[in-house]
Amino acid sequence: GDSVTQMEGPVTLSEEAFLTINCTYTATGYPSLFWYVQYPGEGLQLLLKATKADDKGSNKGFEATYRKETTSFHLEKGSVQVSDSAVYFCALRMKTSYDKVIFGPGTSLSVIP
Amino acid sequence: DGGITQSPKYLFRKEGQNVTLSCEQNLNHDAMYWYRQDPGQGLRLIYYSQIVNDFQKGDIAEGYSVSREKKESFPLTVTSAQKNPTAFYLCASSITSYSNYEQYFGPGTRLTVT
Repeated sequence: GDSVTQMEGPVTLSEEAFLTINCTYTATGYPSLFWYVQYPGEGLQLLLKATKADDKGSNKGFEATYRKETTSFHLEKGSVQVSDSAVYFCALRMKTSYDKVIFGPGTSLSVIP
Repeated sequence: DGGITQSPKYLFRKEGQNVTLSCEQNLNHDAMYWYRQDPGQGLRLIYYSQIVNDFQKGDIAEGYSVSREKKESFPLTVTSAQKNPTAFYLCASSITSYSNYEQYFGPGTRLTVT
């Protein structure tokens, strides 16, 4: 079945370090891909999205490119800040009989000063 | 401001009691969803609704019930039949069921049953 795999956390980085969170997916069709962020005790917020191959989503310095050939959607940021500490979820959305969104397990990021 | 509200933020109940979690949206979205999140885990779909007066079970619907009498509202009842109800519950909505559209999430309700 359709699924999303993310790199295991927690990830701990120093401020201004480069961030990569890997995300790969398995899908029978042609999904849209999303990254959501969850700050402690809050709901999820959309960070960025891409709806077709080679699309690059970007927001707040974060970027991810939809790679159909490698079925990947890795999240990157050139210089992380303490305020980026959160849990990051990769997700895919198919147009199935009931429009299911499939979330990865989440990757916890801690940025230390 | 448009958005999704969930109330209350924290909810405490005794085992054996039913409890209803509120979810209201003023985004004029057709589709609404309920997810459950356990510590260190991803989201699991409980129920979803694509239009008023219609809803479908998700992956873990047992012990839960919903209604969708109004477009803006999608309350979730956690019944006494739910074996492990303590969790963080998230409500979401989206414009339509089509895949290009993202989901918008409420702030969540943390339910503790003792």
